[in-house]
Amino acid sequence: DGGITQSPKYLFRKEGQNVTLSCEQNLNHDAMYWYRQDPGQGLRLIYYSQIVNDFQKGDIAEGYSVSREKKESFPLTVTSAQKNPTAFYLCASTSAGKTTNEKLFFGSGTQLSVL
Amino acid sequence: DAKTTQPTSMDCAEGRAANLPCNHSTISGNEYVYWYRQIHSQGPQYIIHGLKNNETNEMASLIITEDRKSSTLILPHATLRDTAVYYCIVRALTGANSKLTFGKGITLSVRP
Repeated sequence: DGGITQSPKYLFRKEGQNVTLSCEQNLNHDAMYWYRQDPGQGLRLIYYSQIVNDFQKGDIAEGYSVSREKKESFPLTVTSAQKNPTAFYLCASTSAGKTTNEKLFFGSGTQLSVL
Repeated sequence: DAKTTQPTSMDCAEGRAANLPCNHSTISGNEYVYWYRQIHSQGPQYIIHGLKNNETNEMASLIITEDRKSSTLILPHATLRDTAVYYCIVRALTGANSKLTFGKGITLSVRP
């Protein structure tokens, strides 16, 4: 089945540790996105990528890093510089065309907690 | 990017129509209106989208005003499983790049 897969579903981080969240899609989508969601809040954009080897900062990129070496993969690293990393992280993808007529597909999310 | 505003919450009775409003007064001519919903601790799910005309699919109907400054998502016969957070967003397109921004959404509670 085609889709977007996030792993792990739950992740724990120790103080000062970097952790990486995985996001893989087999939808042949060009564009991929990372969002952060805090309890009772909406989704805030961390980073997005429209094409391989290129990505842009979203609204809350500080303390995070990404890479886009392959079209199907867009891993997110939560660095030790992110002082409040506990949140629900969502990855999404869509085909990047010249119109806005595309649906966004989401993964099932990763819940990150600090030990 | 065009922004959207939605009420914080609303409720409706099971079996009745749920009408969820959204304001997007600064929407650009080439931007679509999208609706997604999120059930607790899951990824958002696409519902419907439209540009100018009203749209209907198996899940819902989307009514866009003639001036495109607001829209309404209609769930014709709400069920308990429709209880979720509903997000109204507009797709921003800048050259070859596109950034999708979600607000806090509206929490719909369907009561028995």
